[in-house]
Amino acid sequence: AQKITQTQPGMFVQEKEAVTLDCTYDTSDPSYGLFWYKQPSSGEMIFLIYQGSYDQQNATEGRYSLNFQKARKSANLVISASQLGDSAMYFCAMRAILYGGSQGNLIFGKGTKLSVKP
Amino acid sequence: DSGVTQTPKHLITATGQRVTLRCSPRSGDLSVYWYQQSLDQGLQFLIQYYNGEERAKGNILERFSAQQFPDLHSELNLSSLELGDSALYFCASSVGGELFFGEGSRLTVL
Repeated sequence: AQKITQTQPGMFVQEKEAVTLDCTYDTSDPSYGLFWYKQPSSGEMIFLIYQGSYDQQNATEGRYSLNFQKARKSANLVISASQLGDSAMYFCAMRAILYGGSQGNLIFGKGTKLSVKP
Repeated sequence: DSGVTQTPKHLITATGQRVTLRCSPRSGDLSVYWYQQSLDQGLQFLIQYYNGEERAKGNILERFSAQQFPDLHSELNLSSLELGDSALYFCASSVGGELFFGEGSRLTVL
């Protein structure tokens, strides 16, 4: 069975500093994808970044980067130069990539609430 | 804007009632997923449809049902509502990789 663990219920970071949000996962699937989503207080789920299990390089999207350590089964999100608008819940998620390329369901962690201080 | 449209955005109803949540996926996306987000359970996968057919089932109660129509829009029907069904219900669509989520339908059962 798949499982996503986010051990930090809440985090504080000073504006303009970098912050790392932790995510570990467990799966028996040989191929899978890892995702991070942002959920601001308004409620919508915003896709941030994706990492495939066979990708050689860590994914980056603007100020977001994913620190993927396959052997440790971790997929931490790094946000550089934090902004006040980064205050939100952040969810790590995973889905299996099945035989034939079809995708399994997205399984979410419990989330980390990030608060950016001015 | 993710391109996924959900209606209604907010819904308040009473226990025992029935409601229907509607989702229009992004243009071209064949897969539709329904998720429930509550404070105690987090984000729970309910059900997936692919091109009109049920593809996978998660923690969906028997009181809940869904379908995807030929135009690919989907509806989630919740019946015999209980207080514990109060939650944010998300629809998401995908054609391959990441899921794109709608803004959610916030259901309050009183």
